[in-house]
Amino acid sequence: GAVVSQHPSRVICKSGTSVKIECRSLDFQATTMFWYRQFPKQSLMLMATSNEGSKATYEQGVEKDKFLINHASLTLSTLTVTSAHPEDSSFYICSLRWAAYNEQFFGPGTRLTVL
Amino acid sequence: GENVEQHPSTLSVQEGDSAVIKCTYSDSASNYFPWYKQELGKGPQLIIDIRSNVGEKKDQRIAVTLNKTAKHFSLHITETQPEDSAVYFCAALSNYKLTFGKGTLLTVNP
Repeated sequence: GAVVSQHPSRVICKSGTSVKIECRSLDFQATTMFWYRQFPKQSLMLMATSNEGSKATYEQGVEKDKFLINHASLTLSTLTVTSAHPEDSSFYICSLRWAAYNEQFFGPGTRLTVL
Repeated sequence: GENVEQHPSTLSVQEGDSAVIKCTYSDSASNYFPWYKQELGKGPQLIIDIRSNVGEKKDQRIAVTLNKTAKHFSLHITETQPEDSAVYFCAALSNYKLTFGKGTLLTVNP
């Protein structure tokens, strides 16, 4: 399967600051990447679909001005949580889809804690 | 949109026993059904998947069955081992989006 990396693996920040999370595809070019959020003991919730070279598509209820997504290349997508608040504390996971076969592979996740 | 129900939410088995997790989906257009294993603090790992044109698929100790008419699919793990302990998620692909079940915490007791 595809290898996906995320950086950082965990981050602690103060309320009001912005945090950038990187998602990289290490072994193939991904035109589409996905960003999920997972709260403790809950399932994965799709936040947005990141398309290379175009604007991301956000799911209903996800603020696009708060969660900025940039998919500038076929191997890198970034998620920036702007003006973070404690309620944004969560596990953020990116994934990419192997379009020819529909398989979707996930990164290791980033644990965000907002104090 | 798609809705995926997963049962049970927790499952405890003895090492060597089998474990079965069941999911149902609502969108008849869904055509791809993966299963993921997630260990604590890690991202989900794809362990097996099945497409709508197949009824069953097996990979060593893991198998998945799909009943399109009833809109349900199941994960079967045989000869369970302690390292199988994790949270398992089923998912269904509809309109290029994966919808996940709520997960099953599987505990394999030595």
